[in-house]
Amino acid sequence: DAKTTQPPSMDCAEGRAANLPCNHSTISGNEYVYWYRQIHSQGPQYIIHGLKNNETNEMASLIITEDRKSSTLILPHATLRDTAVYYCIVRVANGKLTFGQGTILTVHP
Amino acid sequence: DTGVSQNPRHKITKRGQNVTFRCDPISEHNRLYWYRQTLGQGPEFLTYFQNEAQLEKSRLLSDRFSAERPKGSFSTLEIQRTEQGDSAMYLCASSPRTSGYQETQYFGPGTRLLVL
Repeated sequence: DAKTTQPPSMDCAEGRAANLPCNHSTISGNEYVYWYRQIHSQGPQYIIHGLKNNETNEMASLIITEDRKSSTLILPHATLRDTAVYYCIVRVANGKLTFGQGTILTVHP
Repeated sequence: DTGVSQNPRHKITKRGQNVTFRCDPISEHNRLYWYRQTLGQGPEFLTYFQNEAQLEKSRLLSDRFSAERPKGSFSTLEIQRTEQGDSAMYLCASSPRTSGYQETQYFGPGTRLLVL
């Protein structure tokens, strides 16, 4: 699976959009971009995934660049409950997940 | 759908003792994964099952570790002769993987193990 690079930490004001970047310059054509998050002391929670088109669900939007070498997870209206570690994972369609260090997102009032 | 459940949620044991954790996946999910997470790190893959077959094991899974999924439903992870380095959160995930499907894994709350 391709390696990803994320900033170690980010801050966001409550009610504002949180934009979390991820670089995956060695991604292969058959690899998907997945995002999970982990709130303190809980198991990881699936957020969204995509291949090459932008995706949106009730939790977030995923913007993937045309060359697929980077992506951005957007939480449109961050709340305090969105404070968590966010993991960007690149992988083929199925099988084990390889987690990196992730980005610690802190949403403040 | 009650989600993935894991028991116990917390376990404290003395070095050298054996421990067993249980994972109940989401109903009808045929894939089940085990991960381990130490403090400050992301989860690391240990092993996974498709139905009752164990298809892959990480090199992290030493001889002291064994996992089973006897009837393709719940799974157990046993650690024999525990060491302090085994202290971690043990996470279970399940997925309804089918051919050609972009698999999404759903995680349980984890079992936190402390070896004294």
